[in-house]
Amino acid sequence: AQSVTQLDSQVPVFEEAPVELRCNYSSSVSVYLFWYVQYPNQGLQLLLKYLSGSTLVKGINGFEAEFNKSQTSFHLRKPSVHISDTAEYFCAVSDRIKAAGNKLTFGGGTRVLVKP
Amino acid sequence: GAVVSQHPSWVICKSGTSVKIECRSLDFQATTMFWYRQFPKQSLMLMATSNEGSKATYEQGVEKDKFLINHASLTLSTLTVTSAHPEDSSFYICSARSPEGRYNSPLHFGNGTRLTVT
Repeated sequence: AQSVTQLDSQVPVFEEAPVELRCNYSSSVSVYLFWYVQYPNQGLQLLLKYLSGSTLVKGINGFEAEFNKSQTSFHLRKPSVHISDTAEYFCAVSDRIKAAGNKLTFGGGTRVLVKP
Repeated sequence: GAVVSQHPSWVICKSGTSVKIECRSLDFQATTMFWYRQFPKQSLMLMATSNEGSKATYEQGVEKDKFLINHASLTLSTLTVTSAHPEDSSFYICSARSPEGRYNSPLHFGNGTRLTVT
């Protein structure tokens, strides 16, 4: 079984400032890692994913995340946010074992509010 | 890219009635779809895994007789909330695995259905 902890439930940030959203996970097996964004009353959109290889992953909209196996973390960063980045962000993991069926376990979410 | 369409986007129903929510993969075939439930300001909780041509697999604590799932074709899964009650009011989101079908491929999500039971 896996669990995902997003340490910040809300992150207010000024426009053009950097932002970091923290994500830590716990799992007894190797996992794949994902970040999704959810705009109000919408589904989730994939920002980026880590499957293997380079631990620094670049995604859409200028976001990037770094996988740290020793710290079991997958923090999301953006160097300069826009008003349009105001949304809910979810970190998620799935089991690397195929038989697990690709189920995603989500963190509690971090609400980012970008202020002008 | 892969698109998942969910309908309706919102629905209001009276207590005791049933509501059907549709999830369609528009440009790919999805043998597996997932149904999630999201309470306000909370994360997504997996309700069930919908498998084309077979019975859905429900997560622990989810009543299969209340949340009926039918995956009759490779592009359509439906979730029916039977005898809805106010506590069933929530945001329901479906998702489908990318066409590659590999276990590490990302899920594509519908835009969700907001159900309000009065």
